[in-house]
Amino acid sequence: GQNIDQPTEMTATEGAIVQINCTYQTSGFNGLFWYQQHAGEAPTFLSYNVLDGLEEKGRFSSFLSRSKGYSYLLLKELQMKDSASYLCAAPTRDIGYNKLIFGAGTRLAVHP
Amino acid sequence: DTEVTQTPKHLVMGMTNKKSLKCEQHMGHRAMYWYKQKAKKPPELMFVYSYEKLSINESVPSRFSPECPNSSLLNLHLHALQPEDSALYLCASSQGAEQGRYEQYFGPGTRLTVT
Repeated sequence: GQNIDQPTEMTATEGAIVQINCTYQTSGFNGLFWYQQHAGEAPTFLSYNVLDGLEEKGRFSSFLSRSKGYSYLLLKELQMKDSASYLCAAPTRDIGYNKLIFGAGTRLAVHP
Repeated sequence: DTEVTQTPKHLVMGMTNKKSLKCEQHMGHRAMYWYKQKAKKPPELMFVYSYEKLSINESVPSRFSPECPNSSLLNLHLHALQPEDSALYLCASSQGAEQGRYEQYFGPGTRLTVT
């Protein structure tokens, strides 16, 4: 079957580092996405990993291990505005990879 | 520019009304999507258009009717909705799997309330 798992909720302190994990099983791997979604707003694209390793983009980094079916999103120097849901997603071979499977999302709360 | 626009931002409609949601992108993307999202849940795929043709219908009830008039526009026609259809409706676009590009860019959404 196809499945993406991520923790439901996490809390962290302003200025700290937090790691949000994601494990996946999809039909035909073609990369993994991370999206950020603030409450009541649309998801915004954060990162796309297709090769193993860490990709850094400012305060946010994303890691992928294809052999382990595992990814994580690393957020450094946390700010209050980072409080949001973080969605892990992967394109599925169904209908030629035009379909994304989403995890349930991880709600991150950043406290002062 | 990675902008997808949607109108209206908010919509309240009765169960006997007919209304339409509109989505527009000018990024030259050839795949466009409609999603439904309930609170604290991930987006749920409804329809996919690829090169202006409907390629995925995720068993959506016929009271939702998609239309793709051209490569930049996507509509969702609503008729005889139920209160449980109240949700955030998101439009997204991507260059498309045929181009080897899978990232989807989302519009701001339409918050729909069915009374």
